Amino acid sequence: KAGVTQTPRYLIKTRGQQVTLSCSPISGHRSVSWYQQTPGQGLQFLFEYFSETQRNKGNFPGRFSGRQFSNSRSEMNVSTLELGDSALYLCASSLSLGVTEAFFGQGTRLTVV
Amino acid sequence: SQQGEEDPQALSIQEGENATMNCSYKTSINNLQWYRQNSGRGLVHLILIRSNEREKHSGRLRVTLDTSKKSSSLLITASRAADTASYFCATDEEGAQKLVFGQGTRLTINP
Repeated sequence: KAGVTQTPRYLIKTRGQQVTLSCSPISGHRSVSWYQQTPGQGLQFLFEYFSETQRNKGNFPGRFSGRQFSNSRSEMNVSTLELGDSALYLCASSLSLGVTEAFFGQGTRLTVV
Repeated sequence: SQQGEEDPQALSIQEGENATMNCSYKTSINNLQWYRQNSGRGLVHLILIRSNEREKHSGRLRVTLDTSKKSSSLLITASRAADTASYFCATDEEGAQKLVFGQGTRLTINP
């Protein structure tokens, strides 16, 4: 069974631009969560999607948004990028909603210059 | 916000020795999980222990949970160079339905 796939793996963007990251969960998994990892703040929860609906949201500004498609694939968008948005963005998929074992992708390394 | 706090922040031991990492948390939980992360890569799930369990084993891993002290420990026995990684505990706050990670312990196994 294929694991969680995140694309792209690396991305360099300029301040003010926007970016879209993609996550394909494990087949059969319906829950997708997103996390931001930085050296200073560690792993921070962004949001969770289940059945195309956002079910939970972390403490991030509205510039961070996401969506989930009918095939459970998810995208995350960050608009008006700031230098502080540079981070490793991790996607995790789970069988169902709520806290169960999460399977993580390799992440997208975003650098904002 | 950080729920779990790992201790120590960094640990360096010789191959073959045992490594113990601790995690403390603040609120009531349903379960606690441990994950491993190799440098700059995704997290790998190691073990999940439910709030009504006190100890769990998986291969060379042993996890304990003390809900009265709001703490957990991860023991890796007979460490190997391949165990070099960062280890995170993650908890779910009751009713929050999300994983909250600690800052992690950076483990280095010296050959």
